[in-house]
Amino acid sequence: NAGVMQNPRHLVRRRGQEARLRCSPMKGHSHVYWYRQLPEEGLKFMVYLQKENIIDESGMPKERFSAEFPKEGPSILRIQQVVRGDSAAYFCASFPLRDTNEQFFGPGTRLTVL
Amino acid sequence: QKEVEQDPGPLSVPEGAIVSLNCTYSNSAFQYFMWYRQYSRKGPELLMYTYSSGNKEDGRFTAQVDKSSKYISLFIRDSQPSDSATYLCAMSAGGYQKVTFGTGTKLQVIP
Repeated sequence: NAGVMQNPRHLVRRRGQEARLRCSPMKGHSHVYWYRQLPEEGLKFMVYLQKENIIDESGMPKERFSAEFPKEGPSILRIQQVVRGDSAAYFCASFPLRDTNEQFFGPGTRLTVL
Repeated sequence: QKEVEQDPGPLSVPEGAIVSLNCTYSNSAFQYFMWYRQYSRKGPELLMYTYSSGNKEDGRFTAQVDKSSKYISLFIRDSQPSDSATYLCAMSAGGYQKVTFGTGTKLQVIP
């Protein structure tokens, strides 16, 4: 049973480009969180998704950031017109039921904006 | 004031020591309390998961929750160099409520 997968593991973008981060949850998991982690900082909640539904996007900047979790395929976190401040590690975590907090994390995508 | 406070450390202990890691929180709605371990440049992994108050033990790890004081702890007995990592506390009110993480405590166990 494969764990949570994220790709790419490392992503380099120039300012103004788009970054697209993918997360494949564990088999049978229908809920996904996205987090951002800056060096020496904790995990900052961005968005909580259920398949085909955004549950809570209160942690995501209103501009340039969007997320989806389609019925088929991975969850996508998209950052448009990236800026240097977007450089961080982005983690997704999945879990199967709406009321469990037993989240399983992926290895993260490290985004560097030049 | 942050919802969850955690001393960032770093905390250095000799091998075999008992380690105590702590978090305080302000949201009385929190009912689920977790501890994650994160090695450098890796994703966090769940260590302990507790509902409401009380103690939970798993091998060398013991999690304690005191809801009256809004204080949670993780104890590591007989610490090993392989325990060197950042430990993150996390908590939520359950249901569709988001999980809130502490900033993490960096632990180094010296052989």
